Amino acid sequence: DQQVKQNSPSLSVQEGRISILNCDYTNSMFDYFLWYKKYPAEGPTFLISISSIKDKNEDGRFTVFLNKSAKHLSLHIVPSQPGDSAVYFCAASAGAQKLVFGQGTRLTINP
Amino acid sequence: NAGVTQTPKFQVLKTGQSMTLQCAQDMNHEYMSWYRQDPGMGLRLIHYSVGAGITDQGEVPNGYNVSRSTTEDFPLRLLSAAPSQTSVYFCASSYSSGLLGGSFSPLHFGNGTRLTVT
Repeated sequence: DQQVKQNSPSLSVQEGRISILNCDYTNSMFDYFLWYKKYPAEGPTFLISISSIKDKNEDGRFTVFLNKSAKHLSLHIVPSQPGDSAVYFCAASAGAQKLVFGQGTRLTINP
Repeated sequence: NAGVTQTPKFQVLKTGQSMTLQCAQDMNHEYMSWYRQDPGMGLRLIHYSVGAGITDQGEVPNGYNVSRSTTEDFPLRLLSAAPSQTSVYFCASSYSSGLLGGSFSPLHFGNGTRLTVT
């Protein structure tokens, strides 16, 4: 049973526009959420995180929103740049480093 | 700092063979873990360690063994490889196994080992 789901396997966005990646979870014990970015032939790298006591966290062009009642989080990238083309994984934790990952969304930024 | 180093990058095994995937980190991280990535499944936790001498099972531990004799190294052993173990394996480490000051220290991943079992 997939506890963390990214229902869009791929997303294509024009350079300069907003990219919105979505993630849903089912386990109400999750209290910390993270986004990782992965380029081909490399390991995932940490992008941004949010605690369940917040509903928004920003870091430069990246903002993560958390809607606890809907068990939904999203990552906004504004403006999107060609270097943002990668696979994005959301991950969740119930209080320890045992992260549960979603399936990933491949983001392509078109010039 | 080299970060998290995984060897080999690629490996092909025949069913029933054994091998060890190596993982080393030079950041003095307390926590280390192994994930496998399969198409449509994301990354799934195999085993993890919160410090030298301490290991525990993750979501998909069957068919794999680990040990943590030093802080730096966390090898993953396949005792008798099966085609179902064909996957990309990632080792990851972090400073702490839990929250520090309300946030996690991020996991640092190696570049992965692509394993094919025929």
